[in-house]
Amino acid sequence: AQSVTQLDSQVPVFEEAPVELRCNYSSSVSVYLFWYVQYPNQGLQLLLKYLSGSTLVKGINGFEAEFNKSQTSFHLRKPSVHISDTAEYFCAVSDMSGGSNYKLTFGKGTLLTVNP
Amino acid sequence: GAVVSQHPSWVICKSGTSVKIECRSLDFQATTMFWYRQFPKQSLMLMATSNEGSKATYEQGVEKDKFLINHASLTLSTLTVTSAHPEDSSFYICSARASLDRGRGGYTFGSGTRLTVV
Repeated sequence: AQSVTQLDSQVPVFEEAPVELRCNYSSSVSVYLFWYVQYPNQGLQLLLKYLSGSTLVKGINGFEAEFNKSQTSFHLRKPSVHISDTAEYFCAVSDMSGGSNYKLTFGKGTLLTVNP
Repeated sequence: GAVVSQHPSWVICKSGTSVKIECRSLDFQATTMFWYRQFPKQSLMLMATSNEGSKATYEQGVEKDKFLINHASLTLSTLTVTSAHPEDSSFYICSARASLDRGRGGYTFGSGTRLTVV
């Protein structure tokens, strides 16, 4: 079984400031890692994913994340945020071997609020 | 890219009636579909996993007879909330995994359905 911990439920930042949203996971098996964004009353959109290889992955909208196996972390970063980045962000993992149909295990989410 | 169309986007129904939510993969074949429920300001709670042509697998605590899931084709899955009550009011989201994906592509999510039972 896997679990995902998003350490911050809310992160307020000012426009053009950098931001880091933290994610730690626990798993007895190897996992794929994902970050999703959800705007109000909408479904989830994939920001980026780590499958293998380079531990720094780049995604859409200027976001990037770094996989750290020793710390079991997958923190999301953006060097300069915009008002439009205000949304809920979810970290998720799935069992690489296909356990449970590759279902996603989500963290509780982090609400990023970008203020002018 | 892959698109999943979910309808309706919102629905209001009377207590005791049934509501059907559809989820269609528009440009790919979805071997597996997942149905989630999301409460306000909370994460997604997986309700069930459905594979095309098979019975859905429900998560512990989810009533199979209340939440009927059908995945009759590779492009369509439906969730029917039977005899709905106000406590069933929630945001329901589907997601689909492509046949050969093996979990590597992430998942494509529908836009969600806001159900309000009055």
